[in-house]
Amino acid sequence: QVELVESGGDLVKPGESLRLSCVASGFTFSDYYMGWVRQAPGKGLEWVSYINIGSNTIHYADSVKGRFTISRDNSRSSLSLQMSSLRVEDTGVYYCARDGRSVVTAFNWHFDLWGRGTLVTVSS
Amino acid sequence: QSALTQPPSATGSPGQSVTISCTGTSNDVGGWRWVSWYQQHPGQAPKLLIYDAFKRPSGVSDRFSASKSGNTASLTVSGLQPEDEADYFCASYQHNNNLIFGGGTMLTVL
Repeated sequence: QVELVESGGDLVKPGESLRLSCVASGFTFSDYYMGWVRQAPGKGLEWVSYINIGSNTIHYADSVKGRFTISRDNSRSSLSLQMSSLRVEDTGVYYCARDGRSVVTAFNWHFDLWGRGTLVTVSS
Repeated sequence: QSALTQPPSATGSPGQSVTISCTGTSNDVGGWRWVSWYQQHPGQAPKLLIYDAFKRPSGVSDRFSASKSGNTASLTVSGLQPEDEADYFCASYQHNNNLIFGGGTMLTVL
């Protein structure tokens, strides 16, 4: 079964850190660029970060640049998001997402497979 | 990184067609082919409907179609069905390696 499963969401205080994980199954993880997208409660989608297969090209939204770090372990089919200096506005459901791979060795800027998400709540 | 502009809501009757617009600038929608559309039902993850402005992934109904003209992209849902009632989000690549989303449109099927 082709799926992405996120974990690691929690209730944390402003300024604290948290690490999210995503495990892929049912497809060759090392063939795909991957990303994170978040959604604040009752709000729209916001792209967070994007990583290529070799982890040597990474992009971040300005809102998280310098605070969040995306990484991947192709041997474990896993994607991670290390979040530090968390803010109240970082609250939301964080989705792990697979790049659409319409062009094989490029960022395609769309996601064709999404996990169910994990909830991060930042509150004092 | 301003969000793309979508109407907050859209309404249609079963069997009708409805079109949802997504307006950006020459730095995003107007400047690149990387426009996509997603459907999200309450409590569920988004589902890709359209990529590269008008391409449909395998398995997506051909009742969903899209186009782009200038700084505006459009999604048309034809032959509306009750299960089409959902939130719809557009997204576009933005200059300097960013991806931005629209605010979302809640589609109601009366």
